[in-house]
Amino acid sequence: AQTVTQSQPEMSVQEAETVTLSCTYDTSESDYYLFWYKQPPSRQMILVIRQEAYKQQNATENRFSVNFQKAAKSFSLKISDSQLGDAAMYFCAYSRRDDKIIFGKGTRLHILP
Amino acid sequence: GAGVSQSPSNKVTEKGKDVELRCDPISGHTALYWYRQSLGQGLEFLIYFQGNSAPDKSGLPSDRFSAERTGGSVSTLTIQRTQQEDSAVYLCASSWGWGMKTQYFGPGTRLLVL
Repeated sequence: AQTVTQSQPEMSVQEAETVTLSCTYDTSESDYYLFWYKQPPSRQMILVIRQEAYKQQNATENRFSVNFQKAAKSFSLKISDSQLGDAAMYFCAYSRRDDKIIFGKGTRLHILP
Repeated sequence: GAGVSQSPSNKVTEKGKDVELRCDPISGHTALYWYRQSLGQGLEFLIYFQGNSAPDKSGLPSDRFSAERTGGSVSTLTIQRTQQEDSAVYLCASSWGWGMKTQYFGPGTRLLVL
């Protein structure tokens, strides 16, 4: 069975600094997708970034980038120039094509002014 | 509508009562998913619809849980004889359909069973 592990329940970062959230996953599939979702106090799950496993190039979205290490089954999220609005729960997630999403337990990120 | 909507936003019920939770997906989205987010359990998949059929019901925790989708649009998740352990946030997501399309989430329904 596929699993997603986030080993950091909480993290804090100073505003304008860079922070990296860790994620590892386990799968025997070769074709899959990885995601980072953000959930602010409003409860709305917002897609931050997604990575197709067949792509070697790491995905980037403005201040957000990932370090995808397929052999190590690692998928970390780097947030540059952290802003107060980045404070939220971040979920790492995995999915096969046409399938449900499997989520990690989440990392709560605090931004210190 | 512009996004996935869910109703009610919050629901308080007594143990043993039935509840219905509604999800209105983004117009044109053929795939619809229900997830449950509870303390200590994280986010769990419940059921997936493609059109009106449900090819994957593997996440429904018991036969007290059921869901239907009509007209390829609105979906209703029904919990019969609610128990306190059913208290959670129920999230709905929709996507364009086949292939790995991004799932867009609604704001969720917070259910509290007293």
